[in-house]
Amino acid sequence: GIQVEQSPPDLILQEGANSTLRCNFSDSVNNLQWFHQNPWGQLINLFYIPSGTKQNGRLSATTVATERYSLLYISSSQTTDSGVYFCAVLTGANNLFFGTGTRLTVIP
Amino acid sequence: GAGVSQSPRYKVAKRGQDVALRCDPISGHVSLFWYQQALGQGPEFLTYFQNEAQLDKSGLPSDRFFAERPEGSVSTLKIQRTQQEDSAVYLCASSLVPDRGSEQYFGPGTRLTVT
Repeated sequence: GIQVEQSPPDLILQEGANSTLRCNFSDSVNNLQWFHQNPWGQLINLFYIPSGTKQNGRLSATTVATERYSLLYISSSQTTDSGVYFCAVLTGANNLFFGTGTRLTVIP
Repeated sequence: GAGVSQSPRYKVAKRGQDVALRCDPISGHVSLFWYQQALGQGPEFLTYFQNEAQLDKSGLPSDRFFAERPEGSVSTLKIQRTQQEDSAVYLCASSLVPDRGSEQYFGPGTRLTVT
């Protein structure tokens, strides 16, 4: 089956710093979503981005489908950005398959 | 508008008990999905409904798991004779169109603990 690997697995940032999270996938995909799971467990949609680049405030994402990776950029990080970031891809079986996650901690 | 809601938010069951978990999708959303999230891992697909039809149940871990969506809106995930390995967060998601590739929106989850 498809492999979805995220890096780094853990990241600690000082408030105000920038970061890049990476998602590599082993097969072609038709859909890719980025989620933020907050400390209360709620999965929050960040981007629906099968290809190209999107921006939303301090966050932006780029997916290069032909090279099988996606990047999530967080600028001027805030403590409320803490949590786990997941990318999820639609597999050939038409199921959304989640990556391993990046746990982000932003310290004041 | 209102998002996906789930109830109860927390459920403690003794091993062997049956449980029922409810999901209210976003109004008008055709597709509904259930996922299981074990501690420290990403969610894993369980089953998919398009309106009232269960089109994919390939992720259900055993025949003790059963899901329904009889009127094409609210869905219930039932687990019979719960076991400790069933302890997890159960997430429901919905999407607007009958396309499994469309954007999914998740509820807050039900945390099930089997003692």
